[in-house]
Amino acid sequence: QKEVEQDPGPLSVPEGAIVSLNCTYSNSAFQYFMWYRQYSRKGPELLMYTYSSGNKEDGRFTAQVDKSSKYISLFIRDSQPSDSATYLCAPHPGGSEKLVFGKGTKLTVNP
Amino acid sequence: GAVVSQHPSWVICKSGTSVKIECRSLDFQATTMFWYRQFPKQSLMLMATSNEGSKATYEQGVEKDKFLINHASLTLSTLTVTSAHPEDSSFYICSAPPVSGQPQHFGDGTRLSIL
Repeated sequence: QKEVEQDPGPLSVPEGAIVSLNCTYSNSAFQYFMWYRQYSRKGPELLMYTYSSGNKEDGRFTAQVDKSSKYISLFIRDSQPSDSATYLCAPHPGGSEKLVFGKGTKLTVNP
Repeated sequence: GAVVSQHPSWVICKSGTSVKIECRSLDFQATTMFWYRQFPKQSLMLMATSNEGSKATYEQGVEKDKFLINHASLTLSTLTVTSAHPEDSSFYICSAPPVSGQPQHFGDGTRLSIL
């Protein structure tokens, strides 16, 4: 089993839709959970960062972590064409350990 | 916020050439930086961890003599692709955590094309 599993999509939605992006992981040592957004031909940009289980909201974005089921989600409300990008989940145990990325989900929001 | 700068953003060169890519932390000091490679439609693959003042730590399968890493200061790490060949063509990205244990911030990447 891979450490991080993420459906690569692609996912195509109309503008204004609610988007749900998900990852599962196998390592129970992961304590920090990051979501990065990567536009084409650019480096990843840190979007959301949560610690342990629970929800975190930032504008139209909500990150959700369920450590009991090892399941992490990113919700985007009122999606915009500018949200079209690849979204990468990256759980992390903390400290100086390396990041482990999911494959990334390519999202297209159609106007 | 923390800024990581990469240079050049795009380089095209002939097979057999060595290419140097720079990664700088602009507003923080980074004792550790990370180098990734990303092929089209694939996720980032960690190549090596660059440690200021000591040798880099390479991931399994990455040739250390092929990909030379130097982290001579707290704000600069360089990756040199030696004797590059077409199969080395890829998108190379560096990152650094502003504070140890905190999320990594990424540079904008370097697109390397070897003819």
